[in-house]
Amino acid sequence: DQQVKQNSPSLSVQEGRISILNCDYTNSMFDYFLWYKKYPAEGPTFLISISSIKDKNEDGRFTVFLNKSAKHLSLHIVPSQPGDSAVYFCAASAGWAGTASKLTFGTGTRLQVTL
Amino acid sequence: GAVVSQHPSWVICKSGTSVKIECRSLDFQATTMFWYRQFPKQSLMLMATSNEGSKATYEQGVEKDKFLINHASLTLSTLTVTSAHPEDSSFYICSARVLAGVNEQFFGPGTRLTVL
Repeated sequence: DQQVKQNSPSLSVQEGRISILNCDYTNSMFDYFLWYKKYPAEGPTFLISISSIKDKNEDGRFTVFLNKSAKHLSLHIVPSQPGDSAVYFCAASAGWAGTASKLTFGTGTRLQVTL
Repeated sequence: GAVVSQHPSWVICKSGTSVKIECRSLDFQATTMFWYRQFPKQSLMLMATSNEGSKATYEQGVEKDKFLINHASLTLSTLTVTSAHPEDSSFYICSARVLAGVNEQFFGPGTRLTVL
């Protein structure tokens, strides 16, 4: 049962344009969401997160939007740069920092930023 | 930032041997570390949650006798794959949760295990 889904396995975007990566979840207990970037043969690198009390969080070129009613979140990267080419994982957890909350990962979206 | 290291970065072993993978938090103390495995083109699957000084909590379907986890200190957790078989070949990644921080986990670079 895939509780976090990234339905687009790949995405190609031209340099300078906006990249939009989508993520859907089914577990209504999830209240904290994270995006990670991963290069081949490396561990994921944390990018940005959002808690369920917000609907938007912005950090530089990265913005995450959360639509709780639709159980959907998206990561916007603007402007996209060639160095952004990687696999992006959406992750979710139920609970804040009080307990060692487990992360449930999506299957990832491979982003390729072309020149 | 929080740095997590793993050793070795890759290992090739014969079927039936045991392999130990180390995960260290280099610049912070981690009361909780997590072990994941990733098959090609698939998501990271949580194997177990490791708390310093106590027994690890394994996810459903993960054999605790096969994947031995020890979290001996606030900066070190080890995963031992016992009697490895070719189907254990995978990419193993550890992560650590900052002691007093929020819910981000910081990941190690991963260990590629190939069992012949």
